[in-house]
Amino acid sequence: ELKVEQNPLFLSMQEGKNYTIYCNYSTTSDRLYWYRQDPGKSLESLFVLLSNGAVKQEGRLMASLDTKARLSTLHITAAVHDLSATYFCAPSLGGGGKLIFGQGTELSVKP
Amino acid sequence: DGGITQSPKYLFRKEGQNVTLSCEQNLNHDAMYWYRQDPGQGLRLIYYSQIVNDFQKGDIAEGYSVSREKKESFPLTVTSAQKNPTAFYLCASILKGGNEQFFGPGTRLTVL
Repeated sequence: ELKVEQNPLFLSMQEGKNYTIYCNYSTTSDRLYWYRQDPGKSLESLFVLLSNGAVKQEGRLMASLDTKARLSTLHITAAVHDLSATYFCAPSLGGGGKLIFGQGTELSVKP
Repeated sequence: DGGITQSPKYLFRKEGQNVTLSCEQNLNHDAMYWYRQDPGQGLRLIYYSQIVNDFQKGDIAEGYSVSREKKESFPLTVTSAQKNPTAFYLCASILKGGNEQFFGPGTRLTVL
């Protein structure tokens, strides 16, 4: 059974600061997704990481994947208020696209 | 515009009633998924379907049923057997061999 743990679960940051969200998972997975969710809304796809050592960047967010350590990170650079949201990681179980979600990290960026 | 639509956006149900949530996609995606999200939690998989006329149970299928008669449609029925159905329900789809799983806007179900 694939288990996913994110930490921290809550993160309060000041604008301009850097921080990293960690996603650990328990068994082999062929890909890992990062999603953003605003309150009351659906999920918005941020990154799909397909192989060991994959690194993707979009704006102030950068995601990486270490399949050997079963670890993905989402790094936030120079945070701004617009990044306030809940972030989920979700490794895929098997080839069928079944995603197993972490608990989510609720990020609050304060001026 | 291509995308995934879910209806209704809000749904209220009396105890003992069955209700059906709609999910439609015009992306020509092969696989479709239903997830449930409880407040402050991640998503949990209810059912999924990789081809028409075939579907599999996810982690929390009890009290739910689905059908996949058409490629573009994957309705979810929440039956009276589901003990605590109040939640946010999200439908998703992915192209076979594709990398991105897209989500619909969701249906918020409340049991009165």
